[in-house]
Formats: sequence, structure tokens, C-alpha cells
Amino acid sequence: DAGITQSPRHKVTETGTPVTLRCHQTENHRYMYWYRQDPGHGLRLIHYSYGVKDTDKGEVSDGYSVSRSKTEDFLLTLESATSSQTSVYFCAISERERSAFFGQGTRLTVV
Amino acid sequence: AQKVTQAQTEISVVEKEDVTLDCVYETRDTTYYLFWYKQPPSGELVFLIRRNSFDEQNEISGRYSWNFQKSTSSFNFTITASQVVDSAVYFCALSEREETSGSRLTFGEGTQLTVNP
Repeated sequence: DAGITQSPRHKVTETGTPVTLRCHQTENHRYMYWYRQDPGHGLRLIHYSYGVKDTDKGEVSDGYSVSRSKTEDFLLTLESATSSQTSVYFCAISERERSAFFGQGTRLTVV
Repeated sequence: AQKVTQAQTEISVVEKEDVTLDCVYETRDTTYYLFWYKQPPSGELVFLIRRNSFDEQNEISGRYSWNFQKSTSSFNFTITASQVVDSAVYFCALSEREETSGSRLTFGEGTQLTVNP
């Protein structure tokens, strides 16, 4: 299995609070991604990174920010959580266009 | 813009039946990659296959086979002699070849396959 760890695995937070999800890899892959999974939408890309401090927006980036200060860590921040951000969040890693491998997911509930 | 359509939301079969999951894609690029992932009830995403747009050969891996047809923009997945353990959500995905995007995936909505004993 690809060495990808997401933390936390589950979180319940209140509307308006900031939340940070962490993705840690041990594979030294260049590319890292954050997706969210919602019923009826499959998985949708939030943000991705193509190197340290190099990030770009995905399809559903509003309300989210990311940072990558080290190759192995990719952080996703919800500046002020809303109920619409209740979802399952997946981190993925890849080398160029090769197959992406996914973490176990983080279930986030905003109440 | 790229798009992936999995028209079958749910499929239910009886064990040992063959089942085909459909995937149709749209892209303007001539170089692209197609993927299938499996998501069992435990929730993780398991990589199954990756094909590039230049390789239209069908592929077989045990009970799994994939039929890639550029003429119809389809990349269908067949499970032969299905088993209860095949019950999962299956996702088809597409990535285009861009230097900075790596394997940035566009997913279909998924097909829930239920195999009954």
C-alpha cells in the first residue's frame, strides 16, 4: 500500500470554526491532491500541489486553502467551516500522470 | 472541459453472473489517461487499472476485463462470474496530460454494484 496517512480520520466541528486536515506521504511523490466525495457527485478535486509551495485550484476550491511546505505534507484548511463542507475528504498522491493512490479518507461533519 | 459519465447509478446481479459497467468520457486532448477505481463498503479507494489514449488493446486481469474504444469514447469494465466480494462502488476517471497537473482526475459519479448470493 502507498504510504499515505490522513489525519484526523473523523472530525465534528461547529459552523464558523477553522479546520485543518493533514495528508502525510512517505513515497516522495511530487504531486498531491485533495478531493471531496459527496453523494451524486463522485469525487471532485479541491486543490492540488505539483511541488513544495506550488499549488493550484481544482473544481471546487471556494472556501478552502492549502499549503505544502514539505514534500511529504499537504494541508487542507477550511477557514470558516460551513454545513455545505460536510463531506468525506480524500488525499491522493502520484508521480506525473501515473496512477494516483488515495489515503483512507477523513469524514468531516460541520454542525 | 473534460467529463466522465457513468450512466448506471446502481446495478444488482446474482453471484456468478457477468456484469459490465459503462463509462463514457469527453476530452479535447489527444493524450489522456483513463482509470478505474473500486470503493468497497469500508470506504477506501482501490486502484484497478490505468490506460493511456494510445493503447486501445483490451486488457484482462483474472475475472476483470476492460474494453477501451476511442471511436465511441468509452472505457467499459466487465466482471466475469461476479462474486459477493465484488460489491462496491466503481469509479471511472480521466486525466489529461499537463506538466503541472500530474494525475489530476475527473471522476464519474460512480456505479454501485451489488452482487447477491
